[in-house]
Amino acid sequence: DVKVTQSSRYLVKRTGEKVFLECVQDMDHENMFWYRQDPGLGLRLIYFSYDVKMKEKGDIPEGYSVSREKKERFSLILESASTNQTSMYLCGSGAGGYTFGSGTRLTVV
Amino acid sequence: GENVEQHPSTLSVQEGDSAVIKCTYSDSASNYFPWYKQELGKGPQLIIDIRSNVGEKKDQRIAVTLNKTAKHFSLHITETQPEDSAVYFCAARAPSGSARQLTFGSGTQLTVLP
Repeated sequence: DVKVTQSSRYLVKRTGEKVFLECVQDMDHENMFWYRQDPGLGLRLIYFSYDVKMKEKGDIPEGYSVSREKKERFSLILESASTNQTSMYLCGSGAGGYTFGSGTRLTVV
Repeated sequence: GENVEQHPSTLSVQEGDSAVIKCTYSDSASNYFPWYKQELGKGPQLIIDIRSNVGEKKDQRIAVTLNKTAKHFSLHITETQPEDSAVYFCAARAPSGSARQLTFGSGTQLTVLP
C-alpha cells in the first residue's frame, strides 16, 4: 500500500515563526500535494509538485512556499506563521485517487 | 476553474438505513470523480471512484452514480453501520491542465445512530 507520512501530528507555533511541515511518500509518485482543511471549506489546494524541483501554486498559496529536492519528499513552509494559518494540513501523492497522510494539526498562537 | 458543491453538510441515519450524499460540478470536461472517507484523526481515504465513461459503480455496500448531463454524482451507502460514521468528501477532476485539477467538495458529516 502507498504510504504518505507527515512528520508531525500536532504542532504549536508562535506568530512570526518559520514553520516547516514535512511529507514523505514511498511509492515513487511524481505528483505530490499540500492541502489545507478547514471546517465547512473542505480541502483547499495550497501547492502541488509534479516533479523534483517543480512546483505550481494552488488556490491559496499566499503565505506559503514549498520545497521538493527529492522525489519522495515535499515540504510546506510557512514563512512567517500567522494565527489565520491555524488549520489541519494534509499532504497527498498520486495521479488519480490521491493517497493522503494523516494530517498535521497546526496551531499558531 | 472547477467548482464542486456537496450536500448535505450533515446527515444522520439509523443503523441499517441507506445514506445518500450528492455533489454537483461545474466543468463539463471533468472525467474523474473520487469519493473519500475521513475518520476522526486520520487523513481522507479513497473509498470509490468513477470515470465519466460509466454511469454507476458498486463496491459491496457503497455505490456511486454519475449523471453527466446534469453534472452531478452521488454516493450511496446501504445497510449503514456505526463504523460508516465519518466525513465524506467528493471530488472532480478535469482532464485538461496539470495534475492539480482535483477539486473537492466541502464534506458531509455522516452519523449512523445505533
